[in-house]
Amino acid sequence: GAGVSQTPSNKVTEKGKYVELRCDPISGHTALYWYRQSLGQGPEFLIYFQGTGAADDSGLPNDRFFAVRPEGSVSTLKIQRTERGDSAVYLCASSSRGDRLDTIYFGEGSWLTVV
Amino acid sequence: QKEVEQNSGPLSVPEGAIASLNCTYSDRVSQSFFWYRQYSGKSPELIMSIYSNGDKEDGRFTAQLNKASQYVSLLIRDSQPSDSATYLCAVKGGSARQLTFGSGTQLTVLP
Repeated sequence: GAGVSQTPSNKVTEKGKYVELRCDPISGHTALYWYRQSLGQGPEFLIYFQGTGAADDSGLPNDRFFAVRPEGSVSTLKIQRTERGDSAVYLCASSSRGDRLDTIYFGEGSWLTVV
Repeated sequence: QKEVEQNSGPLSVPEGAIASLNCTYSDRVSQSFFWYRQYSGKSPELIMSIYSNGDKEDGRFTAQLNKASQYVSLLIRDSQPSDSATYLCAVKGGSARQLTFGSGTQLTVLP
């Protein structure tokens, strides 16, 4: 596609429920990133994929968070047993190669509210 | 100490003035530096990247990098009300492929 696409754009869920957020990167981009942004803060790194593998998952806050990218394109961020503190904008981004000179392009985000 | 530090602002400048945004970073092996603009409720949009010491100009925007001082800045000349947004400084360091962001500086350009 023309840009990074994320669905849903908005999600309201009850505390304790399971949530999946989907990201479709720019066509041909091998690197895919997930970030989380809270109000008044910059995006916080969660996980980085190079192809199908998670090259760096050091930003995942705990084992309730998991992400997959089975075919090296679309990725799903999965949050189990959601908590109110998980409420944030979840941003997906992609870049063509994942090297230091690459430009990282962001999607419009999935706004998650846990009530 | 946060890895990437920015003054949170808000910073207000009159239309037509120069807006100066500053950023410091703690990781000396950082190699790539980026400025993103984020309008309220929207995603970050890349406006400048810089990799070498010195200045890089693109239209009304100039990025400045001083690796010895671990300092990056963004100048916006002839500021317009449409420049009003949060500006995020981001750094890519060493072997890391992801960006580390500052908390952003909120800029308001007054007409």
